[in-house]
Amino acid sequence: EIVLTQSPGTLSLSPGERATLSCRASQSVIGNYLAWYQQKPGQAPRLLIYDASSRTTGVPDRFSGSGSGTDFSLTITRLEPEDFAVYYCQQYGSSPETFGQGTKVEIK
Amino acid sequence: EAQVLESGGGLVYTGGSLRLSCTVSGLAFDTYTMSWVRQAPGKGLEWVSSIRGSGSGTYYPDSVKGRFTSSRDNSKNIVYLRMDSLRVEDTAIYYCARGRGYRNSWYYFDYWGQGTPVTVSS
Repeated sequence: EIVLTQSPGTLSLSPGERATLSCRASQSVIGNYLAWYQQKPGQAPRLLIYDASSRTTGVPDRFSGSGSGTDFSLTITRLEPEDFAVYYCQQYGSSPETFGQGTKVEIK
Repeated sequence: EAQVLESGGGLVYTGGSLRLSCTVSGLAFDTYTMSWVRQAPGKGLEWVSSIRGSGSGTYYPDSVKGRFTSSRDNSKNIVYLRMDSLRVEDTAIYYCARGRGYRNSWYYFDYWGQGTPVTVSS
């Protein structure tokens, strides 16, 4: 199965700053089928990005996804207070679908 | 508005069984794959099952294969997860989610329920 490694484990930033989260796959992700989710405490995950770079409906354009093959990233251009959360990547090009271990974006 | 609502979680002892239910409204239920994803306390996300819209195809990771069974009743917009031979490591919040994908892919998950907790105790 494909192992996804997210870095850093924790990102400490201030509102208004730029956040760049990394997701590295143990082998190439077929079709660049990679998604990003946001999860806040006590809540279900929320889909942000699919197909590596497509934003789902209602997601602000400060969120963007990029990458291909084994290296992907999620960028939040200007952090808003509601963006502090845990972010997971997930690949769905191969079975089993697998998730990264998460990156926590916390307020500095 | 789409709504996904899980139920059926609770406390069970090792080796026991539990059946989770997921009721969906506001979506074309029988058109889409439905999946279960779990999250152990303080841990990340793990996919545990998917069932195609027609119910003809079911998929599981090795960690639950042979112990978990997913089924659906399209007349009631409900998907089920039957969990047998439960282990302590199955303790988690179980989320029901709609799976989306393509002919040459597996699934990402766009609509999620709030989850139902399952605790397996020895």
